[in-house]
Amino acid sequence: AQSVTQPDIHITVSEGASLELRCNYSYGATPYLFWYVQSPGQGLQLLLKYFSGDTLVQGIKGFEAEFKRSQSSFNLRKPSVHWSYAAEYFCAVGARNTNAGKSTFGDGTTLTVKP
Amino acid sequence: EPEVTQTPSHQVTQMGQEVILRCVPISNHLYFYWYRQILGQKVEFLVSFYNNEISEKSEIFDDQFSVERPDGSNFTLKIRSTKLEDSAMYFCASTQGNNSPLHFGNGTRLTVT
Repeated sequence: AQSVTQPDIHITVSEGASLELRCNYSYGATPYLFWYVQSPGQGLQLLLKYFSGDTLVQGIKGFEAEFKRSQSSFNLRKPSVHWSYAAEYFCAVGARNTNAGKSTFGDGTTLTVKP
Repeated sequence: EPEVTQTPSHQVTQMGQEVILRCVPISNHLYFYWYRQILGQKVEFLVSFYNNEISEKSEIFDDQFSVERPDGSNFTLKIRSTKLEDSAMYFCASTQGNNSPLHFGNGTRLTVT
């Protein structure tokens, strides 16, 4: 069965600093990988996804993530963080089968941005 | 850009009552999902629906839950007899199919008192 681990429950960074959110997955083959962001009381917004091809994927709002098969990781990065990016971030893995929309989510990382 | 819409945004119900959560997926999507997020916890898969039938369901999705696509546009989740532990945010999602990402709605917050 697939699983996702987000080792950092809570991260605090200063505005303008760089950000890296960690995600490790467990899956028998190459999975589909996603990062979502959730602002308080809001839905889930897709930041970026990896399906195949280039292992460095670009997403919305200047986010990027790199798929590293050898480390079973898909870490999210942002060179410079704005206060508005404070939110909950979820990594998710989807299976490469007929039900790829069935995603398994990590526990999430809460990002706090200090002024 | 097309969106998945969910109504209501917040539903309060008494324990034992039936509740129906409504979703309008994106019109050309073929696969539909319900996910649940208990406050402070991770998002969990409940059920997937394709070709007018359930394609997969989790162990959470017991006999108290049912889904329906009654008219080709709405996708509903019914909880027959709500329990306190059903209190959560329920997200509807849809996708065109494989190699397409899920599009999530903004969720319905269900509070069971």
